[in-house]
Amino acid sequence: DAMVIQNPRYQVTQFGKPVTLSCSQTLNHNVMYWYQQKSSQAPKLLFHYYDKDFNNEADTPDNFQSRRPNTSFCFLDIRSPGLGDAAMYLCATLQRGDRQETQYFGPGTRLLVL
Amino acid sequence: GENVEQHPSTLSVQEGDSAVIKCTYSDSASNYFPWYKQELGKRPQLIIDIRSNVGEKKDQRIAVTLNKTAKHFSLHITETQPEDSAVYFCAALETSYDKVIFGPGTSLSVIP
Repeated sequence: DAMVIQNPRYQVTQFGKPVTLSCSQTLNHNVMYWYQQKSSQAPKLLFHYYDKDFNNEADTPDNFQSRRPNTSFCFLDIRSPGLGDAAMYLCATLQRGDRQETQYFGPGTRLLVL
Repeated sequence: GENVEQHPSTLSVQEGDSAVIKCTYSDSASNYFPWYKQELGKRPQLIIDIRSNVGEKKDQRIAVTLNKTAKHFSLHITETQPEDSAVYFCAALETSYDKVIFGPGTSLSVIP
């Protein structure tokens, strides 16, 4: 009954080697978020989609891109990972327009950059 | 854009005592305020939330209060237990942009 699924749970990549993290949801929510969380810090919003509308945070590096091909899936692409990109990446969903909106998180993908 | 502040950053309480964490937000249009508990290596877990049309909400040992005029909300945990030890985050939904912005977090330690 997993609602927000992230794959892989752990990802090791090399410095500069592109990597893609994936997120899928069974909730049919219209908003999907990508957060970056480093140790002992709060989740930092990178970008989010409302349906197909993409919203990028002003301080999200150009190195980070996202795709949402359909309602269920959202991808985070890191074009040239640096050592500073090692973090936990959290995907979340929310249904806007629903007065009982609640944000649901996936289990996260921990990225290690060698 | 929305800015969420949270205090204190660390909090130690004796088992059985109460813990209070306070947050302020900047965007008066924000209308949804969740609280998350995060244990080491795990995802944030929603423990309680409050919407702008309600001033207080309680769920067993956990309660949240909201003061829309002052733009602050608080988490209250009563009869704390060692398993309450974790990092707690408040957040606010910025309705204009559908963004959920987190506070910096409070590390709660409950001492047996």
